[in-house]
Amino acid sequence: DTAVSQTPKYLVTQMGNDKSIKCEQNLGHDTMYWYKQDSKKFLKIMFSYNNKELIINETVPNRFSPKSPDKAHLNLHINSLELGDSAVYFCASSPGQGFRAQHFGDGTRLSIL
Amino acid sequence: GENVEQHPSTLSVQEGDSAVIKCTYSDSASNYFPWYKQELGKRPQLIIDIRSNVGEKKDQRIAVTLNKTAKHFSLHITETQPEDSAVYFCAASTSGGSNYKLTFGKGTLLTVNP
Repeated sequence: DTAVSQTPKYLVTQMGNDKSIKCEQNLGHDTMYWYKQDSKKFLKIMFSYNNKELIINETVPNRFSPKSPDKAHLNLHINSLELGDSAVYFCASSPGQGFRAQHFGDGTRLSIL
Repeated sequence: GENVEQHPSTLSVQEGDSAVIKCTYSDSASNYFPWYKQELGKRPQLIIDIRSNVGEKKDQRIAVTLNKTAKHFSLHITETQPEDSAVYFCAASTSGGSNYKLTFGKGTLLTVNP
């Protein structure tokens, strides 16, 4: 069983389109995250939710809108995609905040044409 | 906010040698320091972590040391094997509170040559 699963694994689309990435965790964790990993492999947090409540929003353009329908799911919707959005997006979860190891999904590779 | 510097950016060693990766952090309130390994095309996976009340932690061939006064921590891999080849990330965070988040270093590409 995959602990943190993301769909789709690959996403190729045109500039200007809107797309969504879904994430689900079956670990019973309270906190979920979205990270962006650029071509230089730098991992940067975008959002964090704790029990469906947004707790971190790291200076991300408002074209990115996360949504957490319940604590096991955290989706990411991106409007008006730009070339610079090309990256691998990782979802992660942890059992609460602080001193907690984060478990990552397999990533979604987003390519903007 | 927290800033984590990681060195070196690339490291090449011979199989059986030791590898050391070093990180420094800026926020003296940080008290949790995990290390992640990311193989090519895969997800980051936690390999070891340390909390600020401990100076050293070891798990088989992997060890982490922490110097809170100097605000630096290091990953040590002994008897390296080709399967250790990957990108390694250090990270730092404060515990709890609404601002809890991991700040990652920029990664070290470790290559173990057989």
